[in-house]
Amino acid sequence: EDKVVQSPLSLVVHEGDTVTLNCSYEVTNFRSLLWYKQEKKAPTFLFMLTSSGIEKKSGRLSSILDKKELFSILNITATQTGDSAVYLCAVEEYGNKLVFGAGTILRVKS
Amino acid sequence: NAGVTQTPKFQVLKTGQSMTLQCAQDMNHEYMSWYRQDPGMGLRLIHYSVGAGITDQGEVPNGYNVSRSTTEDFPLRLLSAAPSQTSVYFCASSSLAGGNNEQFFGPGTRLTVL
Repeated sequence: EDKVVQSPLSLVVHEGDTVTLNCSYEVTNFRSLLWYKQEKKAPTFLFMLTSSGIEKKSGRLSSILDKKELFSILNITATQTGDSAVYLCAVEEYGNKLVFGAGTILRVKS
Repeated sequence: NAGVTQTPKFQVLKTGQSMTLQCAQDMNHEYMSWYRQDPGMGLRLIHYSVGAGITDQGEVPNGYNVSRSTTEDFPLRLLSAAPSQTSVYFCASSSLAGGNNEQFFGPGTRLTVL
């Protein structure tokens, strides 16, 4: 059975801290891995990763994929209270189907 | 562009009632899908479609029907609602061209079945 596991399930940090969110997967027909941010509403797209070892960056957020070890990490540096959200990892199978992990709840305290 | 729209935003049903959740997109996306989100379980795929006239089951299809008569619309039908279907439902769409499967999500429908 295809599955995506995220860790930790939740964490609380202080503003300015750096956090690393983990996503491991077991999927039969891997096509890409996607990260989403969800703030009490619809998920919004952060990154799509298809190749191992190539870092994607957007401001303070970055992500990388390891297709040999079947995992990805999402890093957030210099965290701000606006980063508080649920971060979802999803693996795309061929046919555009997404398998989601349960998410990591991040709370950034001021 | 309105993107992906869903109606209603909230709905309360009694067990056994039927209803249709509406989803529409104006981006000419071929792919559309329905997910449900329950606490601690992420999003789970209910049904999806790769184009008008083509639908298929996802991970949790039981109790739900879909149809895709046009590119724009992808309604989700609950024929006989059950309390286990209490959840938040998201519709999403994406293009099948270009290799970038960024799925755009609607605002969600919060459904409670009593």
